[in-house]
Amino acid sequence: GNSVTQMEGPVTLSEEAFLTINCTYTATGYPSLFWYVQYPGEGLQLLLKATKADDKGSNKGFEATYRKETTSFHLEKGSVQVSDSAVYFCALSALAAGNKLTFGGGTRVLVKP
Amino acid sequence: DAGVIQSPRHEVTEMGQEVTLRCKPISGHDYLFWYRQTMMRGLELLIYFNNNVPIDDSGMPEDRFSAKMPNASFSTLKIQPSEPRDSAVYFCASSPGTGSGYTFGSGTRLTVV
Repeated sequence: GNSVTQMEGPVTLSEEAFLTINCTYTATGYPSLFWYVQYPGEGLQLLLKATKADDKGSNKGFEATYRKETTSFHLEKGSVQVSDSAVYFCALSALAAGNKLTFGGGTRVLVKP
Repeated sequence: DAGVIQSPRHEVTEMGQEVTLRCKPISGHDYLFWYRQTMMRGLELLIYFNNNVPIDDSGMPEDRFSAKMPNASFSTLKIQPSEPRDSAVYFCASSPGTGSGYTFGSGTRLTVV
């Protein structure tokens, strides 16, 4: 079946540090890949997505590249801010599964001033 | 667009009482999903609908849980009778189709005492 594995948190960083959150997946076919962010007390928000190999999704300074050869979709940001403190979820959508998203367990990121 | 609207935002109820959570999806989105989020279990998909028809309810924990979607603009998740272990944040999400990702509501925080 489909699965998503992401690094466990919490990840604690200082402001302006470089952030990487690893995400690897297992899926049949060619899934679409997503990163969602959840700020405290809120629902999940779509951060970025990529629908085919070598696509790069980007938004708000975050980037992730769809790497089919390594089945990965790592999230990166060059200089984090305190406001980036949140939980980040990697997810995939495989055509065979209809429109069901398979989520990773989430990675909590805490950015300190 | 107002996004996915859930009500109430918070609900505190006594064990044994009936609880009804409500969701209004984004107009034109054909898919609607109900999720539950807890610290212990993370995000769990309870049920999802396509064009108002339940497609997969395998995540509904037991017969005390039921969900309906009487029309394209409204869905309910009902718990009867409620138990303390049902305490969680319940999210509704909608989607226009496969590969598009979801838009989540702000959630209903349910506390059963």
